[in-house]
Amino acid sequence: NAGVTQTPKFQVLKTGQSMTLQCAQDMNHNSMYWYRQDPGMGLRLIYYSASEGTTDKGEVPNGYNVSRLNKREFSLRLESAAPSQTSVYFCASSQGQGGETQYFGPGTRLLVL
Amino acid sequence: AQRVTQPEKLLSVFKGAPVELKCNYSYSGSPELFWYVQYSRQRLQLLLRHISRESIKGFTADLNKGETSFHLKKPFAQEEDSAMYYCALKGSSGNTGKLIFGQGTTLQVKP
Repeated sequence: NAGVTQTPKFQVLKTGQSMTLQCAQDMNHNSMYWYRQDPGMGLRLIYYSASEGTTDKGEVPNGYNVSRLNKREFSLRLESAAPSQTSVYFCASSQGQGGETQYFGPGTRLLVL
Repeated sequence: AQRVTQPEKLLSVFKGAPVELKCNYSYSGSPELFWYVQYSRQRLQLLLRHISRESIKGFTADLNKGETSFHLKKPFAQEEDSAMYYCALKGSSGNTGKLIFGQGTTLQVKP
């Protein structure tokens, strides 16, 4: 099993450009999450999906949208990238239904110029 | 408000020295707390959870409700323990498993 996979690994955008970060898991998990990791700020939750067909805002949702395409896939979209969105983005999944252990992807490093 | 605080950005110790990574939380109710670790060039992974009361790689963490702390300890640090450590709290959001992470502490174990 690959666990949680993310694409791309690295991306450079210009301010105003859009892009979608892809995430997939093969563990049949119900819940999926998107975090951003910034120095001194730790991991901050952007959006999460408790189950297929549902999404909810996390701590820092502004400037992002998400889609839970099916049980396996959870994508994060930046409609108009800003330099403040330069960060490392992590996708994670968990069994949900009270299962708290989260399994993380390798991360996507995004640079917005 | 639910919050996790890790007061140290960087903790540097020599090999064989004791290690304590501090974590304080703010939560009304019975907390569920975790430590996650990110080794260099590896993905973030669960180290231990307080419910299990287990010792992983020589690390232990005891929940102290009076001091609202969940410090991570190891009696003798090894160079391979060098990593970023995150303390996390399960928020009161039903059954999603949503976690609130602290700012992280980088542990550097010098030879």
